[in-house]
Amino acid sequence: QLQLQESGPGLVKPSETLSLTCTVSGGSISSSGYYWGWIRQPPGKGLEWIANIYYSGRTYYNPSLKSRVTISADTSKNQFSLKVSSVTAADTAVYYCARVEDLGREIGYWGQGTLVTVSS
Amino acid sequence: QSALTQPASVSGSPGQSITISCTGTSSDVGGYNYVSWYQQHPGKAPKLMIYEVSNRPSGVSNRFSGSKSGNTASLTISGLQAEDEADYYCSSYTSSVTWVFGGGTKLTVL
Repeated sequence: QLQLQESGPGLVKPSETLSLTCTVSGGSISSSGYYWGWIRQPPGKGLEWIANIYYSGRTYYNPSLKSRVTISADTSKNQFSLKVSSVTAADTAVYYCARVEDLGREIGYWGQGTLVTVSS
Repeated sequence: QSALTQPASVSGSPGQSITISCTGTSSDVGGYNYVSWYQQHPGKAPKLMIYEVSNRPSGVSNRFSGSKSGNTASLTISGLQAEDEADYYCSSYTSSVTWVFGGGTKLTVL
């Protein structure tokens, strides 16, 4: 059974860099046919797609966040990560990591989510 | 990229059917059969309910169905049950090789 688990600081200061890691168990992030990605949800608001990384390593970003976001993968640890630089209060959200199916582009598996608050 | 357009809320009585619309453009919903729908209960992660416009993952009730016409996709829930009360989000793959979500629809079972 595939499982995804987000980890990282729950509190980040304004202007600093938010860093999160997703640890995948029950499957390999190097397996063909999948993207691995991040989605966020500000409190009381809707979902926003942030970025995906293909199993080959190619990356894709939300144009509105692209200048501040980096997604990367560590296949030796079966993990992928997200960095968001120059954060503000608007980046406060629950951050989900997920697996996206290449065939239908749907998000088949989600992590439980982790709340990151940007505050001094 | 702009979010897909969904109604903010819909409601229905137990046993009734409801439909949630999701309107995009020819660069996303209208251009690909890569529309998916997610159910989210409070405090929980979203759950995939429909993929590729009209396919149901294993374990999802056949009361949930999806369709698409032009730039608008729809999710229909028949035989409404109390447990269906949740937020629903549509999502589409886009021509820019990005993904976009709808703003979400709150379903209330009266």
